[in-house]
Amino acid sequence: DAKTTQPNSMESNEEEPVHLPCNHSTISGTDYIHWYRQLPSQGPEYVIHGLTSNVNNRMASLAIAEDRKSSTLILHRATLRDAAVYYCILRDAGAGSYQLTFGKGTKLSVIP
Amino acid sequence: DTEVTQTPKHLVMGMTNKKSLKCEQHMGHRAMYWYKQKAKKPPELMFVYSYEKLSINESVPSRFSPECPNSSLLNLHLHALQPEDSALYLCASSQGTSGGRAKNIQYFGAGTRLSVL
Repeated sequence: DAKTTQPNSMESNEEEPVHLPCNHSTISGTDYIHWYRQLPSQGPEYVIHGLTSNVNNRMASLAIAEDRKSSTLILHRATLRDAAVYYCILRDAGAGSYQLTFGKGTKLSVIP
Repeated sequence: DTEVTQTPKHLVMGMTNKKSLKCEQHMGHRAMYWYKQKAKKPPELMFVYSYEKLSINESVPSRFSPECPNSSLLNLHLHALQPEDSALYLCASSQGTSGGRAKNIQYFGAGTRLSVL
């Protein structure tokens, strides 16, 4: 499986934007980039995913490099509720690609 | 409703006990998953059921026995566990399995925190 590399931890001030980077230099052409996050004492929750183009939804934006070897999850205004571990995961587009293979993720701390 | 419900939330069991974890979803999802998460580690896939059939067993010891009685329910039967099996057990579901389709994102329950004494 293609691997991802993320910083172990990041800090952000409340109400400021946060840019969470992810490197995936061995990504294949059929891999989608997924982001999940896990709040304390909860199961992971889906944030966003994309293939080549930048994506926006109500939770976040995903910026994907032109060569697809890296991506950045953008939280536009961090709140205390955004403090979580953020996982960048590659998933093959094919049917039967069940696995979510979690890496170590980035622990985001939000400072009031 | 995008809820996956897991019961119990906490479980303490001895090494000779038999217990079961339960997971339920009513989203009409046909794929269901068990993950294991040790403290301060990422979740690791254990089992996948697709259309109520076991599709993936990630070399999990036989003391863990999954069961999918119907499309809404997933159980994990536990027998003769070891203290190192203490962990958070997460259940998830998705409509399908293709990684590229938005409808196939995985929804997770809050987990069962298991302690084996």
